[in-house]
Amino acid sequence: DIQMTQSPSSLSASVGDRVTITCRASQNIGSSVNWYQVKPEKAPKVLIYAASSLQSGVPSRFSGSGSGTDFTLTISSLQPEDFATYFCQQSYMTPRTFGQGTKVEIK
Amino acid sequence: QVQLVQSGAEVKKPGASVKVSCKASGYTFTDYYINWVRQAPGQGLEWMGWIHPASGGTDSAQSFQGRVTLTRDTSITTAYMELSRLTSDDTAVYYCARVVALAGKEGSWFDPWGQGTLVTVSS
Repeated sequence: DIQMTQSPSSLSASVGDRVTITCRASQNIGSSVNWYQVKPEKAPKVLIYAASSLQSGVPSRFSGSGSGTDFTLTISSLQPEDFATYFCQQSYMTPRTFGQGTKVEIK
Repeated sequence: QVQLVQSGAEVKKPGASVKVSCKASGYTFTDYYINWVRQAPGQGLEWMGWIHPASGGTDSAQSFQGRVTLTRDTSITTAYMELSRLTSDDTAVYYCARVVALAGKEGSWFDPWGQGTLVTVSS
């Protein structure tokens, strides 16, 4: 199975801060990485697919980059509605493994 | 709009089985795979398996093989996940999600997700 190592596991940030979350795959997976936002009592939502493509309707402050084994999700200016948990996921092969998650909390 | 609506919360005793449904609407049900993912309290997302609604073909994570059964009823555009021999470790929110892929883009992604079904296993 492909392991996805995500960091940090949590972070505290203020509104307006730039936030970066990283994910490292245990093998080369090209650009087959997606990023999801999960909030309590709500369905998870895809933010970025294929490493760097912004899902329709997602604010442009979210961006993704990387290829091969190292990937990054960036929030350019954190907004109050962005406080949530974020997960990376590889879609290179089954099983479709996820990172451990990053909880973004209010500082 | 494209929507997945799941069945309601369940409380089960250890050793029992649970069956969660996922009703699809707003698209052609047989054109997209459905995956199942769960999230235990305070834990991350765990992929469980997929079903191809057109053929009924399935695959599941090794950790669930022998315990999970994925089925579908195309006449009512609904997918099902049944998990047997429940233990307290199976207490989690269970999600279904449609798989999407685009020409020219690597891989596939889950969109949308169902609202989640809380399954509580307790004696």
